[in-house]
Amino acid sequence: AQSVAQPEDQVNVAEGNPLTVKCTYSVSGNPYLFWYVQYPNRGLQFLLKYITGDNLVKGSYGFEAEFNKSQTSFHLKKPSALVSDSALYFCAVRALSGSARQLTFGSGTQLTVLP
Amino acid sequence: DTAVSQTPKYLVTQMGNDKSIKCEQNLGHDTMYWYKQDSKKFLKIMFSYNNKELIINETVPNRFSPKSPDKAHLNLHINSLELGDSAVYFCASSGVWVQSGANVLTFGAGSRLTVL
Repeated sequence: AQSVAQPEDQVNVAEGNPLTVKCTYSVSGNPYLFWYVQYPNRGLQFLLKYITGDNLVKGSYGFEAEFNKSQTSFHLKKPSALVSDSALYFCAVRALSGSARQLTFGSGTQLTVLP
Repeated sequence: DTAVSQTPKYLVTQMGNDKSIKCEQNLGHDTMYWYKQDSKKFLKIMFSYNNKELIINETVPNRFSPKSPDKAHLNLHINSLELGDSAVYFCASSGVWVQSGANVLTFGAGSRLTVL
């Protein structure tokens, strides 16, 4: 079975500092990896995805993520955090093959950017 | 124009009642989903439909019955509501199923169900 782990429930950073939200995954075969963001009382919004190719993926709002196959990780990063980045972030994985076609989400990480 | 719209946004009801949540997408997507987000924000897939056909049916009580009258609509009907059904229910859609591994999900704003 595929799974996603987000080891931190909460991440606090000061505005202007770099931020990292961690994600590790487990899946049979090669993965599709995604990051979604949820603002209060809203649905999830897509940020970025890794399918194949360059391990560094750039997404919306200045976010990027690095796929590391040996560490089975897909950490979300941003060089300079904004207060408006404060939200709940979800990592998700889907297997390329087999019957595990649905998306599996991590438990979410609440990011708070302090002014 | 809202891409994925759900109604109602809020639903407060008594235990034992039957209720429905409606979902419509205007993106031309073939696949639609229902997700449940519990009080700890954990997201779990419930159902997935592709072109009106049930594709994924997770271990959800059979009190929950999805209905897809056409590929733009996926409604969720819940019978005999229980306290544990209180959650936020999200509808989502994505593109062609064959390519769905890489497809991005577009979510609705959610329907908060409170069972008293």
